[in-house]
Amino acid sequence: GDSVTQMEGPVTLSEEAFLTINCTYTATGYPSLFWYVQYPGEGLQLLLKATKADDKGSNKGFEATYRKETTSFHLEKGSVQVSDSAVYFCALSGDSNYQLIWGAGTKLIIKP
Amino acid sequence: KAGVTQTPRYLIKTRGQQVTLSCSPISGHRSVSWYQQTPGQGLQFLFEYFSETQRNKGNFPGRFSGRQFSNSRSEMNVSTLELGDSALYLCASSPTGPGTEAFFGQGTRLTVV
Repeated sequence: GDSVTQMEGPVTLSEEAFLTINCTYTATGYPSLFWYVQYPGEGLQLLLKATKADDKGSNKGFEATYRKETTSFHLEKGSVQVSDSAVYFCALSGDSNYQLIWGAGTKLIIKP
Repeated sequence: KAGVTQTPRYLIKTRGQQVTLSCSPISGHRSVSWYQQTPGQGLQFLFEYFSETQRNKGNFPGRFSGRQFSNSRSEMNVSTLELGDSALYLCASSPTGPGTEAFFGQGTRLTVV
């Protein structure tokens, strides 16, 4: 079945550092790919998405490119802030569109 | 526009009891999906409803059930609670399905003692 694999956390960085969180997937067909973020005590918020190969999703300085050849959707940000500290989830939705399949989540800690 | 509302926010139940959780989606959204979040298993899909029809169901025992009403509000029920059911239950609403864009509520934290 479809699955998502994310890098283990926590990831600890200093403010203004470059961020990469790796995400790879296994899916039949042409899934849509997502990054969601969960701040402490809150639900999930969509950060960005891409619906077809070579699409780049971007939001709030975060970017991710849908790479079909490497089945990857890595999250990047050029300069992180303390306020980016959260748990980040990579997810996919297959052809049916009726559910999201999630990675394990990566906790990001940014130190001032 | 009001967001997704889940009630109650916190619940404490005893093993063997049953519980009902409620989710009010964003106005105009017809799809509601439910997820269980635990430290050990992460986020797992429970079920998805669209216009009162269950379109998909995850790999959970029959103790977990749900329904959707004509106004798109949804409820999920867990019967014969077990300690392992302790989790954050998240509801997501979407115009057509979670594969386009899903908006999540803050969740219901269920503790089974």
